[in-house]
Amino acid sequence: DAGVIQSPRHEVTEMGQEVTLRCKPISGHNSLFWYRQTMMRGLELLIYFNNNVPIDDSGMPEDRFSAKMPNASFSTLKIQPSEPRDSAVYFCASSSGPWEQYFGPGTRLTVT
Amino acid sequence: EDQVTQSPEALRLQEGESSSLNCSYTVSGLRGLFWYRQDPGKGPEFLFTLYSAGEEKEKERLKATLTKKESFLHITAPKPEDSATYLCAVQASNDYKLSFGAGTTVTVRA
Repeated sequence: DAGVIQSPRHEVTEMGQEVTLRCKPISGHNSLFWYRQTMMRGLELLIYFNNNVPIDDSGMPEDRFSAKMPNASFSTLKIQPSEPRDSAVYFCASSSGPWEQYFGPGTRLTVT
Repeated sequence: EDQVTQSPEALRLQEGESSSLNCSYTVSGLRGLFWYRQDPGKGPEFLFTLYSAGEEKEKERLKATLTKKESFLHITAPKPEDSATYLCAVQASNDYKLSFGAGTTVTVRA
């Protein structure tokens, strides 16, 4: 079985550019989560969806961040414009309900 | 707000030297407490879910236990391949999201 798929695995961009991170959840899972991990703040939830509907976006840092889930097999996290403090590893995770979440390999974002 | 505190931050063990990791938590109604393992450059890997005080779960050299205020992850006779960061997370009964602790980084020397 394929796990959670994320792309790209690494992204280096300049401040002010738009960045789009992509996620394909495990087939059959109806909940999708976006996390950010940094040394300072650890692993923190940004937003999650149930059945493609955003449920809790209270962790989204500011209006520069947006997330969409147009269908059950695809989600995007967009940062526009990007800033150096957005540099982190971004993880996508999925679950089949309020149970264990399965994480993707992450996207390492560097904003210079 | 849910809070999760893990200790120690780092643990260095000799191969075969058993030890325990602690996860203290506060949550308004616990649905589940989760343990994950994370290797460098990879996403967290699910290990266990505990739902009620007194529950225990085992997997190879790992055993997780739960009380009303904390959870322990016991590592029995560890091997170098057990070296990783172990993350604890809680889920409230009215929510789907996980609140993570900062993790304990375990290094096992041969």
